[in-house]
Amino acid sequence: QQPVQSPQAVILREGEDAVINCSSSKALYSVHWYRQKHGEAPVFLMILLKGGEQKGHEKISASFNEKKQQSSLYLTASQLSYSGTYFCGTETVAGGTSYGKLTFGQGTILTVHP
Amino acid sequence: DSGVTQTPKHLITATGQRVTLRCSPRSGDLSVYWYQQSLDQGLQFLIHYYNGEERAKGNILERFSAQQFPDLHSELNLSSLELGDSALYFCASSPRSGQGTQYFGPGTRLLVL
Repeated sequence: QQPVQSPQAVILREGEDAVINCSSSKALYSVHWYRQKHGEAPVFLMILLKGGEQKGHEKISASFNEKKQQSSLYLTASQLSYSGTYFCGTETVAGGTSYGKLTFGQGTILTVHP
Repeated sequence: DSGVTQTPKHLITATGQRVTLRCSPRSGDLSVYWYQQSLDQGLQFLIHYYNGEERAKGNILERFSAQQFPDLHSELNLSSLELGDSALYFCASSPRSGQGTQYFGPGTRLLVL
């Protein structure tokens, strides 16, 4: 089952912050975050493994709440280059093994204006 | 540049035809994943190969098949094409089977007329 992302779209001015949420009904092993610009390949941002850790990548960070099967992506002091569609991909474990199948959310469109 | 290469970049063909999409993983990566991205279905997992063996299947139609060769490149074969098969097809690679970062190639845009 597809994870649910919210909000569906965000419009920001440069320098503003945003939070994108990803929620799953299944027990997750990991959450992967990607950014995709129109017509291009998804670009990897970060991966969070179960354990609730928070990871950072420049001004982008994320958290993973294993109990709630939720992850949030935090974008601070947004830049024009942050514009794009953000996807979370969730990975579950079957029989103790993960086979790398990522199930992606529907995406959140982020637009940053000058 | 992720290091994953895909050919061709664009493909235009007619309904009923068969096409082959090719993917070369990053150097050292043993896993290849295929995804389909369309406007109505979003980004969907099709199939995963690890070191030549099929490891997981997703929503892949019976008209579609894939394989991974000894040199680790992979091909996705789409046959009896329908209008609804028009989409972006991505492959991704990772060093291991699951539980790791997947790096996406630039994609092949397929248009079925």
